Amino acid sequence: SQELEQSPQSLIVQEGKNLTINCTSSKTLYGLYWYKQKYGEGLIFLMMLQKGGEEKSHEKITAKLDEKKQQSSLHITASQPSHAGIYLCGAGSRGTASKLTFGTGTRLQVTL
Amino acid sequence: KAGVTQTPRYLIKTRGQQVTLSCSPISGHRSVSWYQQTPGQGLQFLFEYFSETQRNKGNFPGRFSGRQFSNSRSEMNVSTLELGDSALYLCASSSYTDYGYTFGSGTRLTVV
Repeated sequence: SQELEQSPQSLIVQEGKNLTINCTSSKTLYGLYWYKQKYGEGLIFLMMLQKGGEEKSHEKITAKLDEKKQQSSLHITASQPSHAGIYLCGAGSRGTASKLTFGTGTRLQVTL
Repeated sequence: KAGVTQTPRYLIKTRGQQVTLSCSPISGHRSVSWYQQTPGQGLQFLFEYFSETQRNKGNFPGRFSGRQFSNSRSEMNVSTLELGDSALYLCASSSYTDYGYTFGSGTRLTVV
């Protein structure tokens, strides 16, 4: 079965700093999904990456997919308190999102 | 456009009882997936329904079951509750199985 490892497990950054979260898969990635979760709440869809080398950006968040390395990265530029939460990567089986395997999550805190 | 609605938000049950959780997907979405989230195991896929048919199932015992109605609303049932079933249960819907899923806020089940 596929496993996703996220690093770091937790992160504390000062407001305005940049940060990167990595997600490494034990198997070939056919598609990679990034979600954000506030504690005890549902997941908020951030981005979906489907092709090797693909890069997507939304506001100050950029995600990339490196298929060869079986890895994806999420980069936040000029972090804000609103970025705080748990970031989760999820991989679908054979490119679908209907049965996602999730990483263990990265807890991000942004200090003032 | 209303999001994914899960009811109830919180539930406390006693060991041995059974419970039914409800999920109303976004209007027009025909695919509904269920996940269990615990501190120890993280997010784990339970099952996925598309047009009233179960298309995928995770590695959970038979005590966990689900169904989907003709209006795409879905329910999941857990019988003979165990303490380890205490978790946040998340429902997600999508218009197609290869698109990103929108998650609900979840139902937090506590088994005492």
